[in-house]
Amino acid sequence: DGGITQSPKYLFRKEGQNVTLSCEQNLNHDAMYWYRQDPGQGLRLIYYSQIVNDFQKGDIAEGYSVSREKKESFPLTVTSAQKNPTAFYLCASSIRTSGSGSDNEQFFGPGTRLTVL
Amino acid sequence: SQELEQSPQSLIVQEGKNLTINCTSSKTLYGLYWYKQKYGEGLIFLMMLQKGGEEKSHEKITAKLDEKKQQSSLHITASQPSHAGIYLCGAPAFFGNEKLTFGTGTRLTIIP
Repeated sequence: DGGITQSPKYLFRKEGQNVTLSCEQNLNHDAMYWYRQDPGQGLRLIYYSQIVNDFQKGDIAEGYSVSREKKESFPLTVTSAQKNPTAFYLCASSIRTSGSGSDNEQFFGPGTRLTVL
Repeated sequence: SQELEQSPQSLIVQEGKNLTINCTSSKTLYGLYWYKQKYGEGLIFLMMLQKGGEEKSHEKITAKLDEKKQQSSLHITASQPSHAGIYLCGAPAFFGNEKLTFGTGTRLTIIP
């Protein structure tokens, strides 16, 4: 079945350590996104990518890094520079890129809950 | 930047009752997406509205878009326990934009 997978479901990290969250999609979507969700704050965009080997910062990119070497994969690294990394992280993808149409539904993965110990 | 305000922030409804959730934008709406989220899970797409006055329904959920008011409403008829969760609205900054700004969500609890 087509969809988006994120792994792991739960992740624990010690302070000062970098950690990478996986996001894979087999929907053949061009665009992929990373969001952070905190209680009472909705979703905030970290990074997004419209095409392989290209990505742009979202609203809260500081302390995070991404890569897009393959269309199917968009891993997110939470670095030690991120001051408050404990959160629920959601990956999403969509078929269209900007300007190609108005119907641009985003499909979401199940999320990864990161806890810094 | 665009902001989406959802009201109410939380809602407790007895099973079988109707309810409405609102999403108001600080800027012109170029489309509006509604999603549902179970706690600790990903978002599930409900429906997307494009044009002012547009109304869509899926099972017992109906959404409307009022462009003049820069607002969308989500109405659930005869609520069921399966409707419980967090409802989020999302909107693009301009027509065709793939980036979405999301509201803070409305937490819906259904009481038997």
